[in-house]
Amino acid sequence: DVKVTQSSRYLVKRTGEKVFLECVQDMDHENMFWYRQDPGLGLRLIYFSYDVKMKEKGDIPEGYSVSREKKERFSLILESASTNQTSMYLCASSYGAEAFFGQGTRLTVV
Amino acid sequence: AQRVTQPEKLLSVFKGAPVELKCNYSYSGSPELFWYVQYSRQRLQLLLRHISRESIKGFTADLNKGETSFHLKKPFAQEEDSAMYYCALRRGAGNTPLVFGKGTRLSVIA
Repeated sequence: DVKVTQSSRYLVKRTGEKVFLECVQDMDHENMFWYRQDPGLGLRLIYFSYDVKMKEKGDIPEGYSVSREKKERFSLILESASTNQTSMYLCASSYGAEAFFGQGTRLTVV
Repeated sequence: AQRVTQPEKLLSVFKGAPVELKCNYSYSGSPELFWYVQYSRQRLQLLLRHISRESIKGFTADLNKGETSFHLKKPFAQEEDSAMYYCALRRGAGNTPLVFGKGTRLSVIA
């Protein structure tokens, strides 16, 4: 079974903090993705990566950055957290057609 | 631009009744379409893809290029089908990101 693991299920951070969301996959997938999931808005793509040290902006990259130093790990960084970044964040990896998702990190910014 | 539209936020049906979750898409190329499902407290997972033309958990979906639709159907709903359903489109070829609709919550009433 493919496993995509996000380091935290729940996080509470203060406005202005730098926040790191970590994601690790164990199937040697080249492609990794970060989405945010909001009620009524579905899943929106923040950033994705096809290879180590490579990144591409998705549909809503503002306020976020990413890091992929190793193939198995893809980190999402909120440079200065704001309350409108309170959301569920989903990491995914894929090789071919199917994407495999992590369990999600629910981030609350207060 | 690629877009996926799921017109219903919530669909409630009685157990044993037929279910149809609607999905329409806009894409200029040849699309790859998917249905993903998220059960309560579980991670998002692939339900089915149009290229496989298979039935999973009694669900089927047919790609209608003329109507640009990929509706999900099941003849007899079960309580365990209650979940959030997302239609998704792969943009471009190869390992490109998925574009998701806003989702439909299916509630099956006993």
